[in-house]
Amino acid sequence: GAGVSQSPRYKVAKRGQDVALRCDPISGHVSLFWYQQALGQGPEFLTYFQNEAQLDKSGLPSDRFFAERPEGSVSTLKIQRTQQEDSAVYLCASSFGQDTQYFGPGTRLTVL
Amino acid sequence: DQQVKQNSPSLSVQEGRISILNCDYTNSMFDYFLWYKKYPAEGPTFLISISSIKDKNEDGRFTVFLNKSAKHLSLHIVPSQPGDSAVYFCAARAHVGGAQKLVFGQGTRLTINP
Repeated sequence: GAGVSQSPRYKVAKRGQDVALRCDPISGHVSLFWYQQALGQGPEFLTYFQNEAQLDKSGLPSDRFFAERPEGSVSTLKIQRTQQEDSAVYLCASSFGQDTQYFGPGTRLTVL
Repeated sequence: DQQVKQNSPSLSVQEGRISILNCDYTNSMFDYFLWYKKYPAEGPTFLISISSIKDKNEDGRFTVFLNKSAKHLSLHIVPSQPGDSAVYFCAARAHVGGAQKLVFGQGTRLTINP
């Protein structure tokens, strides 16, 4: 079966622009996670959904970051008024309940 | 504070020998540990995991050891193969209040030399 997919794979934005990153989890996976990975670092947790409910958003760095999963499947991470420090790889992962998290290929965001 | 640490940013091993990657953690609430492997321009791929109630888990060439008293885990790869060259991340999960987010180390770049 298909794994986690993310789009776009690469995004270049001018500072101040809004961006939207999409994640298609593995079919049937209840849990969905977003992580941010800076260059040379490990992924850092941003937010977690169980179905359509956002149960943990403690890792979102500012109120410019917003995530949604309205129908409990596809999720979108939106970053408003992008800043240079937002440049990173954004990873989406999904899991069935409490099981192992499976990651997508990531979206590399570069803010100029 | 860095709750999960991989103190070796890189490791170089001869093909056929054993690779040992190390990871230390500070949070005693962690109940599950995972190793992920990452190739350039790809997402992390799950490799092997271990529950905090065990001290060893083996899957083919890969074995993970957990020493809870030392808050230390290690990944052994034997024999090492060129295709094992990648960045390896240690991750820990704290199952608190239904949340199951992973906390990752900084990664260790493993290079297998032919």
